[in-house]
Amino acid sequence: GESVGLHLPTLSVQEGDNSIINCAYSNSASDYFIWYKQESGKGPQFIIDIRSNMDKRQGQRVTVLLNKTVKHLSLQIAATQPGDSAVYFCAENLLGNTGKLIFGQGTTLQVKP
Amino acid sequence: ETGVTQTPRHLVMGMTNKKSLKCEQHLGHNAMYWYKQSAKKPLELMFVYSLEERVENNSVPSRFSPECPNSSHLFLHLHTLQPEDSALYLCASSQARGNSPLHFGNGTRLTVT
Repeated sequence: GESVGLHLPTLSVQEGDNSIINCAYSNSASDYFIWYKQESGKGPQFIIDIRSNMDKRQGQRVTVLLNKTVKHLSLQIAATQPGDSAVYFCAENLLGNTGKLIFGQGTTLQVKP
Repeated sequence: ETGVTQTPRHLVMGMTNKKSLKCEQHLGHNAMYWYKQSAKKPLELMFVYSLEERVENNSVPSRFSPECPNSSHLFLHLHTLQPEDSALYLCASSQARGNSPLHFGNGTRLTVT
């Protein structure tokens, strides 16, 4: 079956450094991808999304890269701050299945001061 | 502050109790979802309502019963739950058409004793 996976369960970075969180997806029919951030005691918060007709999208301090050839998604966070500490999830949406997102396990980002 | 509000934030119930989780969205969306989040597992989709019609029941046991009286409100009625049902229950909303991100509430932390 389809699955979305993240390469590392935990990522530890120094404050000010750039962070890269990776995600591999298995379904080539997925056409929409989202990154979420979940802080302790809160629900997942939308960060950035990308459609399959793009390979890069930038937001404020965040960039999502999509490589459809190897079915890989990454989230880059520039100048990581303590407030970025959270669990990050990638999610994929199969073509035509609006809203039925498939989530990965999550990567915990720890920012060291 | 999230545009999706869930109550209660915490709930402890016995296996013979009946309780309900409530979700309200203020984003003008027309699709609503229930997800279950258990420790060390990806988010699991339970139910999808689109334009107030249930369009997805992801093999959820009948002890969970959803209700969507209008596009802004969603309930999850619980009865005769099992301890393994203890989890964080997340409500989300989105636009029903096209690729659009889900917006989540902060969840109800349910403990079944």
